[in-house]
Amino acid sequence: QKEVEQNSGPLSVPEGAIASLNCTYSDRGSQSFFWYRQYSGKSPELIMSIYSNGDKEDGRFTAQLNKASQYVSLLIRDSQPSDSATYLCAVPDGGATNKLIFGTGTLLAVQP
Amino acid sequence: AAGVIQSPRHLIKEKRETATLKCYPIPRHDTVYWYQQGPGQDPQFLISFYEKMQSDKGSIPDRFSAQQFSDYHSELNMSSLELGDSALYFCASSPRDSHEQYFGPGTRLTVT
Repeated sequence: QKEVEQNSGPLSVPEGAIASLNCTYSDRGSQSFFWYRQYSGKSPELIMSIYSNGDKEDGRFTAQLNKASQYVSLLIRDSQPSDSATYLCAVPDGGATNKLIFGTGTLLAVQP
Repeated sequence: AAGVIQSPRHLIKEKRETATLKCYPIPRHDTVYWYQQGPGQDPQFLISFYEKMQSDKGSIPDRFSAQQFSDYHSELNMSSLELGDSALYFCASSPRDSHEQYFGPGTRLTVT
């Protein structure tokens, strides 16, 4: 069974700081990696996709992928209270339809 | 942009009753996924459809069934409901040749 692991948190950062969220995965053959943001009681929202080693930036978000270390991270610059949510790392399982295997999520709390 | 539509948004049923959840994927998305998310849990894959055919099956109880219709909408049918079926049920859709999944707002099912 493929696994995706995250620290559950909560991760508390002050407003304006950089939040760093980490994820490791077990399948060395994984090729696609996704970060979802989920507010309490709401649905997961896709915020970043990354497929190649290195960094990918989108606004205040940067995803970092290191396939050799089987590690993917999400950096949130200039954190805002509205960024407070659970961040889910997800990896397709590589099967027939690439259903997503989710980590347990990291709860981020941005303190005003 | 069009998003995934789910109905109803909230549903309250008694034990042993049946429930039907509906999902309308994003236009031109050819794969539909159903996930169940219990309180404090990450989303768990139930079942998926590709081009109206069941393509993958996860930890879905035998009491549950699903199908995808000619207009690509999908329905999740749940019978003999149990208290433990109380959860958020999400539908997600994915375009052809992409592993990115976009989630609907979810249906909150409460079984009393």
